[in-house]
Amino acid sequence: GQQVMQIPQYQHVQEGEDFTTYCNSSTTLSNIQWYKQRPGGHPVFLIQLVKSGEVKKQKRLTFQFGEAKKNSSLHITATQTTDVGTYFCAGGGGSNYKLTFGKGTLLTVNP
Amino acid sequence: DGGITQSPKYLFRKEGQNVTLSCEQNLNHDAMYWYRQDPGQGLRLIYYSQIVNDFQKGDIAEGYSVSREKKESFPLTVTSAQKNPTAFYLCASSHLAGDMNEQFFGPGTRLTVL
Repeated sequence: GQQVMQIPQYQHVQEGEDFTTYCNSSTTLSNIQWYKQRPGGHPVFLIQLVKSGEVKKQKRLTFQFGEAKKNSSLHITATQTTDVGTYFCAGGGGSNYKLTFGKGTLLTVNP
Repeated sequence: DGGITQSPKYLFRKEGQNVTLSCEQNLNHDAMYWYRQDPGQGLRLIYYSQIVNDFQKGDIAEGYSVSREKKESFPLTVTSAQKNPTAFYLCASSHLAGDMNEQFFGPGTRLTVL
């Protein structure tokens, strides 16, 4: 079945440093979604990418979808303490409502 | 106020007992999902449903059962056959039609089996 690998598993940064998490799928995806889960909370949708090579920005967050639609990345510029949490990518296959989640990257930020 | 509710937030059960976790949504979503989250394991799909009275097994369905008698409700039963039931359980829902099918998650139920 479809597998989505995400690295790194953990990342600790100083406030103000940049952060990137990467996602790779074993199969071509129809779309990829990103979620953020704060400590003790539940996942919250951030964004969806659909097109090959697509790049989207949300303030300090930049999301990319690879040309082959098998990989994606989330980059945060100048991290803040409010960025703390686990970031998950989730790949959509042929039936676009079912997602396969990566294991997530836990980001901690030292003020 | 629209959203997904899960109850209870914390649940304790003795080994060998079945337990049912509640999930209700008023978002008028067709699809509903149950995930299990363990530390370092991400979200693993247990069951999902696209329509009332129909559901499919996810990746880790063994030891679990569900029902979808109403569009708004998708309860999950953790049976005594589930070997490691202690986990954080998340329910989610989404639209099926259209380009955007992001999943909306409930607050979760943390189940501890003693």
